[in-house]
Amino acid sequence: NAGVTQTPKFRVLKTGQSMTLLCAQDMNHEYMYWYRQDPGMGLRLIHYSVGEGTTAKGEVPDGYNVSRLKKQNFLLGLESAAPSQTSVYFCASNREGWSEQYFGPGTRLTVT
Amino acid sequence: GQQVMQIPQYQHVQEGEDFTTYCNSSTTLSNIQWYKQRPGGHPVFLIQLVKSGEVKKQKRLTFQFGEAKKNSSLHITATQTTDVGTYFCAGRDAYSGAGSYQLTFGKGTKLSVIP
Repeated sequence: NAGVTQTPKFRVLKTGQSMTLLCAQDMNHEYMYWYRQDPGMGLRLIHYSVGEGTTAKGEVPDGYNVSRLKKQNFLLGLESAAPSQTSVYFCASNREGWSEQYFGPGTRLTVT
Repeated sequence: GQQVMQIPQYQHVQEGEDFTTYCNSSTTLSNIQWYKQRPGGHPVFLIQLVKSGEVKKQKRLTFQFGEAKKNSSLHITATQTTDVGTYFCAGRDAYSGAGSYQLTFGKGTKLSVIP
């Protein structure tokens, strides 16, 4: 039981490049989330999903897109990366929308 | 929008001293969760409080939820070096239907323990 996994662990992008971050969970959770964590800013919600085929905007969605084609996977896309998107990205999931969230190990992204 | 403030931002304690972090929300919460993040790690769930005035204990950790469900605290008795990390509170707005799946995190309190 791997829990929540994220790939890649690290990535360096040039401004304007695109990439996709993959989150996978093997706990059959309905709800999945993408957060970004910046120094001194806590965790901020980017997008979330309440089930397969659904997505919704969080607090800081601009510059990101997401897809939930399969229940176990939640993809976060950056179409044209900007230095302001340099951050650590965490994926999380939970069984019910109100229950504890399980976090993945994170992806450290640097945009130069 | 909903804001969750957490103080202090940093706390340095001598091993064996007590530690408390406080969390205040701008809106009434349906529940509050606490997470711990070790340096270089990811947030790990500690506990959830739901009822007004609720107090829960986990060994040396005591969690409280305020009567008005707008504030919460985490108290650690006799800190140990294993307590090092950043402690986050995260609350769910009680009156936002669309936001009921969203947790708003505080900025965290970073705890350092001097052996």
